[in-house]
Amino acid sequence: AQSVTQLDSQVPVFEEAPVELRCNYSSSVSVYLFWYVQYPNQGLQLLLKYLSGSTLVKGINGFEAEFNKSQTSFHLRKPSVHISDTAEYFCAVRGAVAAGNKLTFGGGTRVLVKP
Amino acid sequence: DAGITQSPRHKVTETGTPVTLRCHQTENHRYMYWYRQDPGHGLRLIHYSYGVKDTDKGEVSDGYSVSRSKTEDFLLTLESATSSQTSVYFCAIRVAMGTGAYNEQFFGPGTRLTVL
Repeated sequence: AQSVTQLDSQVPVFEEAPVELRCNYSSSVSVYLFWYVQYPNQGLQLLLKYLSGSTLVKGINGFEAEFNKSQTSFHLRKPSVHISDTAEYFCAVRGAVAAGNKLTFGGGTRVLVKP
Repeated sequence: DAGITQSPRHKVTETGTPVTLRCHQTENHRYMYWYRQDPGHGLRLIHYSYGVKDTDKGEVSDGYSVSRSKTEDFLLTLESATSSQTSVYFCAIRVAMGTGAYNEQFFGPGTRLTVL
């Protein structure tokens, strides 16, 4: 079984400042890692994913994340945020051989970008 | 837009009444999922389906049942709704992106359910 911990429930940040959202996971098997974004009153949209290869993964809207196997982390970063990045962000993990390809989500981090 | 619709989008019901939520896809994907979203818990899997009449439980399946009589529809039923089932419910489909490891889940717009 896997679990995911998002260390910050809310992150206020000023426009054009950098932001980092922290995600740690636990698993006894190899995993695939995902970040999803949920804009107000909408469903979830995939930002980026780590399946294999380079540990630095680039996604949509200028976001990137780094997989650190020794630290069991997959932190999400953006060097300069916009007002439109105000949303809730979810880290998720899937076992490499998980039956049903089931995802386990973290509790979410709400990002509020201030002008 | 991955061709997923959910109905109803909003529902208010009373404790003890049955409720059925519908997820409909237009692209014939084999895997479908039901999640609930609650503050601080992210999304938690309720049930999923890997084909017509093939379903399995997720981590929070108590009080819920599902059915899939045709590929495009996955129904979630609360036999007797309770206030603890007030939540936002999301349906998702699994879309293969090449080899088996490369697949993604796409989510519907959600159904907000309030049980009074």
